[in-house]
Amino acid sequence: GNSVTQMEGPVTLSEEAFLTINCTYTATGYPSLFWYVQYPGEGLQLLLKATKADDKGSNKGFEATYRKETTSFHLEKGSVQVSDSAVYFCALSTGGFKTIFGAGTRLFVKA
Amino acid sequence: EAGVTQFPSHSVIEKGQTVTLRCDPISGHDNLYWYRRVMGKEIKFLLHFVKESKQDESGMPNNRFLAERTGGTYSTLKVQPAELEDSGVYFCASSQDVRGGAETQYFGPGTRLLVL
Repeated sequence: GNSVTQMEGPVTLSEEAFLTINCTYTATGYPSLFWYVQYPGEGLQLLLKATKADDKGSNKGFEATYRKETTSFHLEKGSVQVSDSAVYFCALSTGGFKTIFGAGTRLFVKA
Repeated sequence: EAGVTQFPSHSVIEKGQTVTLRCDPISGHDNLYWYRRVMGKEIKFLLHFVKESKQDESGMPNNRFLAERTGGTYSTLKVQPAELEDSGVYFCASSQDVRGGAETQYFGPGTRLLVL
């Protein structure tokens, strides 16, 4: 079945460090891929998405490229800020309405 | 524009009791979804409404869970009787696009349920 695997956290970085959160997926067909973020005390927010192979989603300095050959959608940011501290979820959708999520990766950014 | 709201934000109940969670989607969104995250694991799909109709309830864990969306507006999710393993965070989401796929789902803050 369809599934998403992302690196376990927590990830602790200093401000201005480079961030990578790995995400790989298993899916039939051609899924759309998403990164969601949950800031403390808030709901999930869509951070970025990509709908086909080689697409790059980007938002707020975060980027992720849809790699079909490696079935990956790694999240990157060149310089993290304290305000980026949150839980990040990788997810996919295969054309239906159901979204399949990974377990989430908690990021702590220290000043 | 108001986002998706959920009530209550937290609920602590004893095993065997009943709890009802409520979700108010964004006005005009026909699609409403319930998801659950148990103890730091992945967020799992429970069910999907299109207006007042259940489109997909394949993720509902068992018949102790009952979801309704009377009138196609807000939705309730009732757990009766609650068990320890029902503890977790229950998220509601809504979306406008009925085509599915890459439509954006807008999530609420979640209800944190603890069953003792």
